[in-house]
Formats: sequence, C-alpha cells, structure tokens
Amino acid sequence: AQKITQTQPGMFVQEKEAVTLDCTYDTSDPSYGLFWYKQPSSGEMIFLIYQGSYDQQNATEGRYSLNFQKARKSANLVISASQLGDSAMYFCAMREENRDDKIIFGKGTRLHILP
Amino acid sequence: DVKVTQSSRYLVKRTGEKVFLECVQDMDHENMFWYRQDPGLGLRLIYFSYDVKMKEKGDIPEGYSVSREKKERFSLILESASTNQTSMYLCASSRGGRGNQPQHFGDGTRLSIL
Repeated sequence: AQKITQTQPGMFVQEKEAVTLDCTYDTSDPSYGLFWYKQPSSGEMIFLIYQGSYDQQNATEGRYSLNFQKARKSANLVISASQLGDSAMYFCAMREENRDDKIIFGKGTRLHILP
Repeated sequence: DVKVTQSSRYLVKRTGEKVFLECVQDMDHENMFWYRQDPGLGLRLIYFSYDVKMKEKGDIPEGYSVSREKKERFSLILESASTNQTSMYLCASSRGGRGNQPQHFGDGTRLSIL
C-alpha cells in the first residue's frame, strides 16, 4: 500500500492565486516528519518545508505553508500568491522515526502557473 | 548552504558497460542516498549509507552496487548496464540522528543506456 498519496497528477492555476497541493499519508508510527520538495524542469530537488508529527503549529516558510491535519493524516502544501516560477513538480515525503533516516516520496503533482 | 555535487548532468553509455555515478557532499553529512526517478513512479530508493564503508539496500537494489570509501563521497555502480536502467539518478545527503533534517539533493544525472 502507498504510504504517501498525492491524488493530483497535474494542476493548472492562474498566476497570483493561492494553490493547495494535496498529500495524505499512512503510518502507525506516532513520531514522524513530513517534507515537501519542489522539482523544476531543470531537475534539482529543492527542500521547501518540514512538519513534525508533534509540532503544535502548522509550518510556514515564506509563501509556503503546510496545512497539517493529523487526525486525517493529511499534510497539504499551500502556496500563496502563486508566481510563474512556481511551475514545477512537487513531492510530498515522509520520514518515520522507526525507519532510520529514510524518506518515502509520493509520486508528485505537476503544477502549472498560467500568466 | 549544503552542496551535493553529481559528476555528470547527462551520460550516455552502452549496454553491458560498467557505469560509475559519483556524488560528493560538502557538509559532513553522515547519510547519503541514491534514488532513481521515472515518470509516474516518483523517486525510488536504490541504496543508502549511514557511514563510511556502510551500505544498506533500498527498494530496488538489483543491478546496482555502491561504494562509500570516504564520508563525503558515495558512488553508484551499474555493474553491467541495461536499457531498463535508463533513468534520472538523484543523489542526496542528510545529517544523521535528527528527524527534522531534510535530505539535500544534487542536480541529478540523466543516464541513457543504448
């Protein structure tokens, strides 16, 4: 069974609008961490934001925020005021405490920002 | 800033060749990883290493081996390249022992096996 599910293979959004990229996860480990990465067409993977399972507040980094709903096992990425440069592939990932330092990645969502 | 450097952005090799993909990180990270990325399949872990001379199999180790003789360098080896190993290969590193540490990635190597 998939541990990380990203249900949106692709999205088209108008520039300056807010974007929500969905991510659900599956784990029985009480301690885990969630990551979001951005991959532009050039190929490099860029770390965006992290949320720990025990963090009381949703993580924020500039225009990125993570809508963490623990009971739903949901960790959606929100990008405010989207820009053309946000067009990329976005990956949700999870690290489980009992699985050392390995990270499991979802299959990604390709985001297209329209001018 | 963390820098993870992969030796080649693009590489073309022939079936049956022995192929080396090199990865170097400059942040004294304990952990290093090799992934392959294919359309529709996301990133799949091939091998990883928690320390010098240590290696662990990931989810798809068949046809690959690795070498970590120095802390900063992690090499992926295709013993006898096959066309189904044509893919994007990504190297990553992370600091060990702390759950909130992200993996930092290199720019990737697009490998074509003819």
